[in-house]
Amino acid sequence: NAGVTQTPKFRVLKTGQSMTLLCAQDMNHEYMYWYRQDPGMGLRLIHYSVGEGTTAKGEVPDGYNVSRLKKQNFLLGLESAAPSQTSVYFCASSFRTSGNSYEQYFGPGTRLTVT
Amino acid sequence: RKEVEQDPGPFNVPEGATVAFNCTYSNSASQSFFWYRQDCRKEPKLLMSVYSSGNEDGRFTAQLNRASQYISLLIRDSKLSDSATYLCVVNIWTNAGKSTFGDGTTLTVKP
Repeated sequence: NAGVTQTPKFRVLKTGQSMTLLCAQDMNHEYMYWYRQDPGMGLRLIHYSVGEGTTAKGEVPDGYNVSRLKKQNFLLGLESAAPSQTSVYFCASSFRTSGNSYEQYFGPGTRLTVT
Repeated sequence: RKEVEQDPGPFNVPEGATVAFNCTYSNSASQSFFWYRQDCRKEPKLLMSVYSSGNEDGRFTAQLNRASQYISLLIRDSKLSDSATYLCVVNIWTNAGKSTFGDGTTLTVKP
């Protein structure tokens, strides 16, 4: 049981390049999320998904797109990378507990630098 | 005003000390509360949920005060390994599982 995995772990892009970050979870969770965390700051929600085939915007969605074609995978795309997108990206998944709360489980993160 | 506010610290304490962190939230509709721990350059990990009646897990005690809209985390007998950033998290059940994270409180436990 690997939990939440992210690919790649590190990446350096040049301004204007595109890339896709892959998140996979093997816990059969319905909900998945993409966050970014800048140095010394908290987590900010980029996009999220409440189930296979659904996506929605979070707090900072501009410059990113997502897809959830399979329940276990959540992809984050950068179409034209900018230096402002240099950050650590975390994926998380969650389920609704019997107490109606949502405990999130995070992947190890992808460290992206845009030059 | 941020939805979830924490004292950023840093808190520097000696081993064996007792330390407490507070967190305030602004949305009175918040229904679930958690403390996460994040080590340097690592992912956040769930430390404990916070229940209305308060709950304890070993050296860690969490309290919720709905009237004043704050939650707290008490760490007794601090260990060097407790050094980390502690994130306060709240969510609203009807909000598609989206959680709001505080920016974290940094704790350093020194020998």
